[in-house]
Order: sequence, then structure tokens, then C-alpha cells
Amino acid sequence: GAVVSQHPSRVICKSGTSVKIECRSLDFQATTMFWYRQFPKQSLMLMATSNEGSKATYEQGVEKDKFLINHASLTLSTLTVTSAHPEDSSFYICSAGRPGWEQYFGPGTRLTVT
Amino acid sequence: AQKVTQAQTEISVVEKEDVTLDCVYETRDTTYYLFWYKQPPSGELVFLIRRNSFDEQNEISGRYSWNFQKSTSSFNFTITASQVVDSAVYFCALSEGRNTGTASKLTFGTGTRLQVTL
Repeated sequence: GAVVSQHPSRVICKSGTSVKIECRSLDFQATTMFWYRQFPKQSLMLMATSNEGSKATYEQGVEKDKFLINHASLTLSTLTVTSAHPEDSSFYICSAGRPGWEQYFGPGTRLTVT
Repeated sequence: AQKVTQAQTEISVVEKEDVTLDCVYETRDTTYYLFWYKQPPSGELVFLIRRNSFDEQNEISGRYSWNFQKSTSSFNFTITASQVVDSAVYFCALSEGRNTGTASKLTFGTGTRLQVTL
């Protein structure tokens, strides 16, 4: 199956700093990438959808100025958490997809803000 | 709006027991897809199955089986002869099936935590 990588797998940052998470589709071109957030013992909640070359579409309640998403190429999307705070600590998962139903998930990035 | 309900928050069984995880969904779409994912403690989602709304055939894959019933909007998942390695959180998910030219987002249920003990 298709492979999606995420980097870093774990990151600890201080409150007020920004952190960037990369999502790469390694063996296919992803026209769409999705970013999900998962708090401990909770479900995955979609944060935003990004299509290559266009602005991301954010779900209601997600601050687009805080969670910057860039999908500059068909194999790379980045999520930047700006001015991170402890409440942003979470498990962030990306998925990459092609038209139709296919969506492949990355292994996730665990963010801890101290 | 799409919605997926997994009423069972946690299930605990003894190894070799059969266990069924329930999933009920809501959608206005006539074409849609249903999924099951496994999330072990490592956090990585493991794809188990996809079913489209026009295919109500039940499916069996080894110890896993799925029962899709459109009449009750349910897509239940059964593990036969459970094993300790089946311990994980299982998510049911739903996506629209329209060909919009882009991949469709998934709506996840709240998940069922399965604990299989010896």
C-alpha cells in the first residue's frame, strides 16, 4: 500500500514557540492532504483539508492563523502550530489522498508543549 | 451532516472469546463509504476494511468479519476467537462517496477500546 510519513514523530517545545510538522506521501502524488488532531482517549477530529496549490479549508472552530497549513507540492504538506500553548499538546495525524476514496494515514506526531 | 456513533466505549474480553463492536452511522448521501481502523498503543492507524454503500455483502477476513445493514445504518465488526494482540482502539469512519475530484474527508466515531486478557 501507499506510504505516508510524518516528521517528527515526537516533539517537545516551550510555550510560545512554533513547531512545524511535515507530512509526506512517499510513493504517490497526493492531491489532497488532511490534518487530524487526537486528544488522549478521544477520537480523531479533522482540523483542515488542503489541496495542492490552494489554500487549506479549515473545520469550524480551528484557528487558521494558529494552525498554518501549506501544501506546496503533491508529496508534501506542513502543519505549523504557531505560538504553541500547553492546550495544543495533542497527537497530530495527517493523511494523504487521491480522488476517490483512497486516504493513507501517517504514523502521527505527538506534540507536547511545556 | 455525517455522524458515526460507537456506543461501546470500552469492552473487555478474555482471550478466545468472540466480540462484536457496534457502529451506527448517519448520512444524507446515497453514496458513501464505511471504514474500520485499528489504533494500537503506538498510535498509528491501521486500515481494516472499506465498504461502499452499494455493497451490503458481509465480509470475512480471517478472524475478522463485518456486517453491513443499510436498513439499520449499522456496520458492525466481529472478532472471532480474540487474541491479546487485538487489544487496541477501533474506530468506525464514514466518508462521502461522490466523485468530487478530490479525496473525501473522514468522519470518525468516538472509538471502542478493546482489552483482551489471558
